Amino acid sequence: DAKTTQPNSMESNEEEPVHLPCNHSTISGTDYIHWYRQLPSQGPEYVIHGLTSNVNNRMASLAIAEDRKSSTLILHRATLRDAAVYYCILRSDGSSNTGKLIFGQGTTLQVKP
Amino acid sequence: DAGVTQSPTHLIKTRGQHVTLRCSPISGHKSVSWYQQVLGQGPQFIFQYYEKEERGRGNFPDRFSARQFPNYSSELNVNALLLGDSALYLCASSFMWDRFYGYTFGSGTRLTVV
Repeated sequence: DAKTTQPNSMESNEEEPVHLPCNHSTISGTDYIHWYRQLPSQGPEYVIHGLTSNVNNRMASLAIAEDRKSSTLILHRATLRDAAVYYCILRSDGSSNTGKLIFGQGTTLQVKP
Repeated sequence: DAGVTQSPTHLIKTRGQHVTLRCSPISGHKSVSWYQQVLGQGPQFIFQYYEKEERGRGNFPDRFSARQFPNYSSELNVNALLLGDSALYLCASSFMWDRFYGYTFGSGTRLTVV
């Protein structure tokens, strides 16, 4: 399974945009990029996923580099409720695909009022 | 719509005992996965079931087993509990198992082994 690299922690001010980076230099052509977040004392929450094109939903935007070796999760206006651990995960295809999610350490986002 | 529901929410067991954790997926979801999350770490994959068949198993000992029922609910069983089994056990459901779909997680069962 291809691996991802994320900063351990980031800080943001409330109501400002947040850009959470993820490097995945060994990504294969069919790997999807998924993002989840986990708020304190809760299970992970699906945020967004994409393959090649940038993606938007009500929670966030996902910007994918042209070579797909990196991506950025964008929270357009951070709120205190966005303080969480954010995980960038690659989902693979192929005969070994069990559908599992491989969680790394993620990025702990702190949002300051 | 109800989300993924897990029961019980908290559980305390003694070393050597057996435990059964339960999960009800979102209506219409046919895939259920189980994860273990030790304090301070990301969740680790234990099992995935789709249409009542095991599709994948993580690096866990045979003391861990699971099954999925015809209504797509699932049970995770752990025998001969060890102190190291203390963790948050998470269940996730999805319409299918492949990479096109995201998972919805429950809030988990907090297991403490004493």
